[in-house]
Amino acid sequence: DTGVSQDPRHKITKRGQNVTFRCDPISEHNRLYWYRQTLGQGPEFLTYFQNEAQLEKSRLLSDRFSAERPKGSFSTLEIQRTEQGDSAMYLCASSLTGLGNTIYFGEGSWLTVV
Amino acid sequence: AQTVTQSQPEMSVQEAETVTLSCTYDTSESDYYLFWYKQPPSRQMILVIRQEAYKQQNATENRFSVNFQKAAKSFSLKISDSQLGDAAMYFCAYRTPRGGGSEKLVFGKGTKLTVNP
Repeated sequence: DTGVSQDPRHKITKRGQNVTFRCDPISEHNRLYWYRQTLGQGPEFLTYFQNEAQLEKSRLLSDRFSAERPKGSFSTLEIQRTEQGDSAMYLCASSLTGLGNTIYFGEGSWLTVV
Repeated sequence: AQTVTQSQPEMSVQEAETVTLSCTYDTSESDYYLFWYKQPPSRQMILVIRQEAYKQQNATENRFSVNFQKAAKSFSLKISDSQLGDAAMYFCAYRTPRGGGSEKLVFGKGTKLTVNP
């Protein structure tokens, strides 16, 4: 069990460029979550998948954001036309279905938009 | 909507002493889970302890214990015999109940704990 892995760990991009982050959940975990965390704040929910289906999206997830989880395995989070306000850490997490099951987090992908 | 409030942005403790971090939450649900997560600098968030709302007994994990007051909607974390490795951001989190959809975590803003040698 290698845990939740995210790539890249750090990304610096110019405003207006597109960026994509990848998340590999713990194997056999059917739920995958994306959160965003800015400095001094707790993580905020963006979206989640159960298997390959995206079942909920936060209002924080603007039209410039898109997430996919093809085949219910890894997931990608793409941000188009990045803005400075997108600078944050993007956390991926995974779990098994069930309220009592622990949600495990990856180390996050830091995005800096300059 | 559920909210989680951590009123202490920063706390400090001497090594080997005890410290308590506060958390309150707001919900109309009766069945839910509460968590404390630890986030060391530049490292991943890890689960410290969790509490099922239907259990009256407070959860304990080695040096970590909680004081869960359901009626008051309070969920504090006590760290005993503090160690240098306990220094981190601590986040209190609430998990939406079964049937609510994502069962996502709702986090507080965190408390930065410093452990002084």
